[in-house]
Amino acid sequence: DIVMTQTPSSQAVSAGEKVTMSCKSSQSLLYSENKKNYLAWYQQKPGQSPKLLISWASTRESGVPDRFIGSGSGTDFTLTISSVQAEDLAVYYCEQYYDTPFTFGSGTKLEIK
Amino acid sequence: EVQLVESGGGLVQPGSSLKLSCVASGFTFSSYNMHWIRQAPKKGLEWIALIYYDSSNKYYADSVKGRFTISRDNSKNTLYLEMNSLRSEDTAMYYCAKAATGAWYFDYWGQGVMVTVSS
Repeated sequence: DIVMTQTPSSQAVSAGEKVTMSCKSSQSLLYSENKKNYLAWYQQKPGQSPKLLISWASTRESGVPDRFIGSGSGTDFTLTISSVQAEDLAVYYCEQYYDTPFTFGSGTKLEIK
Repeated sequence: EVQLVESGGGLVQPGSSLKLSCVASGFTFSSYNMHWIRQAPKKGLEWIALIYYDSSNKYYADSVKGRFTISRDNSKNTLYLEMNSLRSEDTAMYYCAKAATGAWYFDYWGQGVMVTVSS
């Protein structure tokens, strides 16, 4: 199974600050035939179901604010929030869909100071 | 608007069975692969099962293989998860999720249904 490791487990920032969180996979998620990384990011706000933010490591979903930026390739990925807003309070999960079983990282909890 | 509405959860005893349903609307259900994902209380997300749009293939996590069965009825726009031999570690919120077009990631999620396994 592909193991997904997210760091940090939690992070507290003030509104307006930039935040980055890391996701590392135990094997490459880059598929050589199409040059795509099979990595998604989800946001789970308190009491809600997860919501897809980013697919293919860097493709923002329709309606997702452009302050959410996904980057990285191979085994190392990053989610950046360029200017955190109060409504970004959530747990953020990365997930690989390169192979079954599809696996998630343990999440990064974002707290607003 | 895509909607996924789960039902069928509840409190059951260890060793018992339960069947979850997920009614889909707002998209052509019969054209999309579908997943079940669960989340134990205060824990992370665990993918547990995938079914192809035409039921031709099914995949399971090792943690549920042989005990859980995913199925669908395209005439009723409904996804199912039949759970047998339930254990305390199966206690979780269960989400159905739609697979994206041409990929396995989860582009829409239901609100979830709680399953509690306890004596």
